[in-house]
Amino acid sequence: GQQLNQSPQSMFIQEGEDVSMNCTSSSIFNTWLWYKQEPGEGPVLLIALYKAGELTSNGRLTAQFGITRKDSFLNISASIPSDVGIYFCAGRKFLTGTASKLTFGTGTRLQVTL
Amino acid sequence: GAVVSQHPSWVICKSGTSVKIECRSLDFQATTMFWYRQFPKQSLMLMATSNEGSKATYEQGVEKDKFLINHASLTLSTLTVTSAHPEDSSFYICSAPRRLAEGYEQYFGPGTRLTVT
Repeated sequence: GQQLNQSPQSMFIQEGEDVSMNCTSSSIFNTWLWYKQEPGEGPVLLIALYKAGELTSNGRLTAQFGITRKDSFLNISASIPSDVGIYFCAGRKFLTGTASKLTFGTGTRLQVTL
Repeated sequence: GAVVSQHPSWVICKSGTSVKIECRSLDFQATTMFWYRQFPKQSLMLMATSNEGSKATYEQGVEKDKFLINHASLTLSTLTVTSAHPEDSSFYICSAPRRLAEGYEQYFGPGTRLTVT
């Protein structure tokens, strides 16, 4: 099935640094979501975006819904060791609805060194 | 705390046997649940949409007779891997949509790691 392209594929950063990652699609999505997955666990929802151009924060995390509706960005400020994990973007064609499927990105693996 | 649970968290079975995985929504009802499969270092791939009281909807390329889905109640969906083979070894994750401020978003279970020997 379709996957969204995420970059970078992996990142090795030092504690305290800021992190940026993005997600792109060849088609339009009306909702963008960002999840974090730690080893052996299911993804955890971080941020949900519903409007083109929307900028939403959750603590040190900030995500933006691209104005073309074909991309989204996630920034993490002042990274800490517990930020380690795989970050996935996900897109949904429909704004809401319980039966709406998600398309996942390829993931960005984040490693934080002390 | 967790809003979606899965059981078991891991299972080892012999080739040719069947394995059932449960997915439960905690403190909310879900008429729809989703089943994903994730291979090592890869993303989540949707296998099927589980519909309470009706047949599941399978994604292209997923064998419905091999991956049996039953959504018998508003809080429980089960995935049965029938006649399992080593290539079915994977991390299986379910999700259920739960109401957020602006709509329903999928909350994921902790996953079930299946190893077929």
